[in-house]
Amino acid sequence: DAGVIQSPRHEVTEMGQEVTLRCKPISGHNSLFWYRQTMMRGLELLIYFNNNVPIDDSGMPEDRFSAKMPNASFSTLKIQPSEPRDSAVYFCASSLVPWAGELFFGEGSRLTVL
Amino acid sequence: AQSVTQLDSQVPVFEEAPVELRCNYSSSVSVYLFWYVQYPNQGLQLLLKYLSGSTLVKGINGFEAEFNKSQTSFHLRKPSVHISDTAEYFCAVSVEGGSEKLVFGKGTKLTVNP
Repeated sequence: DAGVIQSPRHEVTEMGQEVTLRCKPISGHNSLFWYRQTMMRGLELLIYFNNNVPIDDSGMPEDRFSAKMPNASFSTLKIQPSEPRDSAVYFCASSLVPWAGELFFGEGSRLTVL
Repeated sequence: AQSVTQLDSQVPVFEEAPVELRCNYSSSVSVYLFWYVQYPNQGLQLLLKYLSGSTLVKGINGFEAEFNKSQTSFHLRKPSVHISDTAEYFCAVSVEGGSEKLVFGKGTKLTVNP
């Protein structure tokens, strides 16, 4: 079975540009999570969806960040405009509900904002 | 609010030596606890989990962890490590006991030297 698929794997952009990260969860999984990983702050949960509905977006840093899940097999995380402090690795993860205690992570999207 | 403290940011060991990676958590409710492993340039994958029952939990790759409620700890152990165990290890706690929303520690980088 294919795992969680993220694209792009690497993105280098300039400050002020729009960035869109994409995620395809494991087929049949009904929860989807976006995490951000930095050296300073570790792994932070940005937002998560259940059955395509955002459940908790309290981790989204500010209005420049937005996430959507238009259907069960696709989600996007958008940053507009991007800033150097957004540089990080962004992970998408999915899971089944009722939850059996495991998140399945993608390989991440490494974002560098110059 | 739940939180996780991993006491060691880096742990160097020699091959075939035993290792313990320490994790303490803070929570006012019953918790679910997890250890995830991240190999270089990859996403996180579940090593083991404690949901209920026996406090000694066995996971993949010969790792085990013990839940100690009185000491609020969930330390990870392996009696004999291999070079291939070199990775970053993350302890996590489930927010609101049973929720799929996880709070992660900052990670412990395990380096196994020949």
